Amino acid sequence: AQSVTQPDIHITVSEGASLELRCNYSYGATPYLFWYVQSPGQGLQLLLKYFSGDTLVQGIKGFEAEFKRSQSSFNLRKPSVHWSDAAEYFCAVASGVWIKAAGNKLTFGGGTRVLVKP
Amino acid sequence: NAGVTQTPKFQVLKTGQSMTLQCAQDMNHNSMYWYRQDPGMGLRLIYYSASEGTTDKGEVPNGYNVSRLNKREFSLRLESAAPSQTSVYFCASTDRSTQYFGPGTRLTVL
Repeated sequence: AQSVTQPDIHITVSEGASLELRCNYSYGATPYLFWYVQSPGQGLQLLLKYFSGDTLVQGIKGFEAEFKRSQSSFNLRKPSVHWSDAAEYFCAVASGVWIKAAGNKLTFGGGTRVLVKP
Repeated sequence: NAGVTQTPKFQVLKTGQSMTLQCAQDMNHNSMYWYRQDPGMGLRLIYYSASEGTTDKGEVPNGYNVSRLNKREFSLRLESAAPSQTSVYFCASTDRSTQYFGPGTRLTVL
């Protein structure tokens, strides 16, 4: 069974500093990997996704993530954090093979809440 | 193009009451999903519908039922609400690779 671990429950970062959020996954085959962001009281917005190809993926809002197969990781980074980046971030994994009967189910990590200090 | 919509946004129930959460998508997606979100646990899949006319259990289906009314709509029903079902519920639909989420329903069961 696939699983996702986000080791950091909370991270506090100063505005303008860099940010890295960790994500480790467990999945037997090639996974689809995702990062979602959830602002307070809102739904989930897709930041970026990795399916194949270049292991460094660019997303919206200046975020990027790097897929490292050898480490089973898909860490999210941003060079300079803005106050509006305060939110909860979720890493997720899905099957890399579309199975029509079963759908394409996502497994989420527990989330990392990011606080931004002025 | 509204994406995924959910009603209601907020609901308070008493233990034992029933209710249905509604979800609709206008992206012509085949697959739809219901998740619940609890602090520290991320999102957990309750039920999903891979295509119109099919539904299947996810990770935490107990206490819930679903109906895929047509390609657009996927409802979640709580027949006899319990305090353990206090949560935020999200509906999602997928274009085979990426899931798109609704704004959520915050449910409190007293």
